[in-house]
Amino acid sequence: DTAVSQTPKYLVTQMGNDKSIKCEQNLGHDTMYWYKQDSKKFLKIMFSYNNKELIINETVPNRFSPKSPDKAHLNLHINSLELGDSAVYFCASSQMGTGAPEQYFGPGTRLTVT
Amino acid sequence: GDSVTQMEGPVTLSEEAFLTINCTYTATGYPSLFWYVQYPGEGLQLLLKATKADDKGSNKGFEATYRKETTSFHLEKGSVQVSDSAVYFCALTPNSGYSTLTFGKGTMLLVSP
Repeated sequence: DTAVSQTPKYLVTQMGNDKSIKCEQNLGHDTMYWYKQDSKKFLKIMFSYNNKELIINETVPNRFSPKSPDKAHLNLHINSLELGDSAVYFCASSQMGTGAPEQYFGPGTRLTVT
Repeated sequence: GDSVTQMEGPVTLSEEAFLTINCTYTATGYPSLFWYVQYPGEGLQLLLKATKADDKGSNKGFEATYRKETTSFHLEKGSVQVSDSAVYFCALTPNSGYSTLTFGKGTMLLVSP
């Protein structure tokens, strides 16, 4: 019973195309995130949504547009793909509360732009 | 801003050797500290965490102690196994506001039989 799932797992596409990655969590969490992991394994936050509202938007090109149709889903749409967008994208979720809530990560989507 | 510094890898060890992966942080206030592990081809899993000074997180034989005086959270294991081969990430999150994680650059551990 997967907690955080992402589709697709692999995505190969050409420069200039538009693509989407989907994320779903069945943990009942109210907060979801997108992280980008580059070729050197460095992980960086891109976006965070709490109860479908955007709360964190790091310095990300506006070709990237997250959409949260409900608390359980956070999708990432990327327009006009560039070579530098090649990376692994991870979705995560957590439940806001006191202290530091644990984030649960999906398996990742490996995006390759050719 | 907040930052996390980890030792460069890869760390190469023989099975049953002692492991230390160093992690230091810079943050305002008193963050919570985490170690995440990423096995090949998989997502990140929380390995252990500590939420206040002098707390010790432990799991699967791994330990790390939150040291406020040295702003460190070093990961240790007494006897590594081949199955511990993975990339280990130190991370922090503030204890107030929205809890996005700030990660270190990751340390690859390779354990040989």
